[in-house]
Amino acid sequence: EAQVTQNPRYLITVTGKKLTVTCSQNMNHEYMSWYRQDPGLGLRQIYYSMNVEVTDKGDVPEGYKVSRKEKRNFPLILESPSPNQTSLYFCASSPRQPGISEAFFGQGTRLTVV
Amino acid sequence: AQKVTQAQTEISVVEKEDVTLDCVYETRDTTYYLFWYKQPPSGELVFLIRRNSFDEQNEISGRYSWNFQKSTSSFNFTITASQVVDSAVYFCALEGNFGNEKLTFGTGTRLTIIP
Repeated sequence: EAQVTQNPRYLITVTGKKLTVTCSQNMNHEYMSWYRQDPGLGLRQIYYSMNVEVTDKGDVPEGYKVSRKEKRNFPLILESPSPNQTSLYFCASSPRQPGISEAFFGQGTRLTVV
Repeated sequence: AQKVTQAQTEISVVEKEDVTLDCVYETRDTTYYLFWYKQPPSGELVFLIRRNSFDEQNEISGRYSWNFQKSTSSFNFTITASQVVDSAVYFCALEGNFGNEKLTFGTGTRLTIIP
C-alpha cells in the first residue's frame, strides 16, 4: 500500500530538548516536504527536498533542520524546541511531475512543547 | 508569489442543505494545479480533487462538484444535500509547475453540518 508514515503521532516535550520526527515513504517519490498547520494559518511549508542530499528552506524554516540521506526518509529535527513550535506537522511526498499525482500526506504529528 | 484565499473561515448549515466553499488563487505560472483536501476531526488530510489549469471543465463526483473559472481565478467546491459526515475543515491548495512543486494552502474553511 502506498503510504507516508510519520512517527510519532503525538509528542509532548519540554523546551530545549532535541527531538526528531521521522517520515518515510514507499513510493520512490523524489519530492518530499514538511508542513506545519496552525489555526487560522492553514498549512505552511517548512522545508522541502527535491532529491537525495538536496534540501531547501520553505516559508517557515526557522528552528528546524532536515536531512535527506536516503530517498525514502526525510526526518524533521528540532534541535531546541520552543513553545511556538507547538503545532500539527505533516510530511508529504510526491513525484516530480506536477499534476500527474497529488501529494501523499502522512497522518500528522501533533507536537506540544511546554 | 502564489496565494490562496479562502475567505469563509467557518460555515454552518443544516443537514441536506447545499453549501459552497469559495477559493480564490493568485499565481504567475501559466500552468498550475489546484486541489481540495478534507481534514476530518481525526486530523488526516484526505485528497478530494486535482484540477489542471488548462482544463476548465467542471467536475461532479457524487454529491461533490467543483467549479473552476480561470477568468476569476476561482475554484469553488459545492456539496449538495450535505450530511453530518461532511463536517470537516476543507483546504484549497495551489501547486506550480515543474520546479515549483510546493503546495500553497488557503487558511481553510471549517464546515459544520447541523443534524
